[in-house]
Amino acid sequence: GENVEQHPSTLSVQEGDSAVIKCTYSDSASNYFPWYKQELGKRPQLIIDIRSNVGEKKDQRIAVTLNKTAKHFSLHITETQPEDSAVYFCAASNQAGTALIFGKGTTLSVSS
Amino acid sequence: GAVVSQHPSRVICKSGTSVKIECRSLDFQATTMFWYRQFPKKSLMLMATSNEGSKATYEQGVEKDKFLINHASLTLSTLTVTSAHPEDSSFYICSTSEGTPGTDTQYFGPGTRLTVL
Repeated sequence: GENVEQHPSTLSVQEGDSAVIKCTYSDSASNYFPWYKQELGKRPQLIIDIRSNVGEKKDQRIAVTLNKTAKHFSLHITETQPEDSAVYFCAASNQAGTALIFGKGTTLSVSS
Repeated sequence: GAVVSQHPSRVICKSGTSVKIECRSLDFQATTMFWYRQFPKKSLMLMATSNEGSKATYEQGVEKDKFLINHASLTLSTLTVTSAHPEDSSFYICSTSEGTPGTDTQYFGPGTRLTVL
């Protein structure tokens, strides 16, 4: 089955800096890669996703890149703000409507 | 995005009792729902896939007789934790998607915090 590895487990940056979180996956059939932000005690919230027919996607300060050959994808947050502090999870699935397999999460701390 | 509700949001029970958690898809029919468990400071672990009108599919290591799943309608799936023990204390979250190509975005319920004393 699919296995998703996520690094780093914790990341501390200064406000205004960029943050990068990387994930690798094992199943070459995976074709959907979402990123979720989860605040303490809350549900995961989708912040951006990418499908295997696209190499990069950007939404304001957030971007995701995908390298299918290497089976890795990354989340990039620019101009970080304290409110970006949360746990971020990457995930993968290989078919619409199937379950997501999550990485272990990255705790991002943005200090002002 | 889609709206998924969960009830209750928080439950405290005594060891040995059973607890039912409901997951509802409020604005589309969900033939498939997913149940995840999340321990403190850990990732979401898939427990089972709930299929409307048929038996749930459980992940390896998840006891189907302990975690009973019923998906009797296109908008409701329930997870019952039977004979709960303190080690079952966790955050339980459901999710669903419309399941058609290009709409594989999954939406999560708000979660249920279960504490077993």
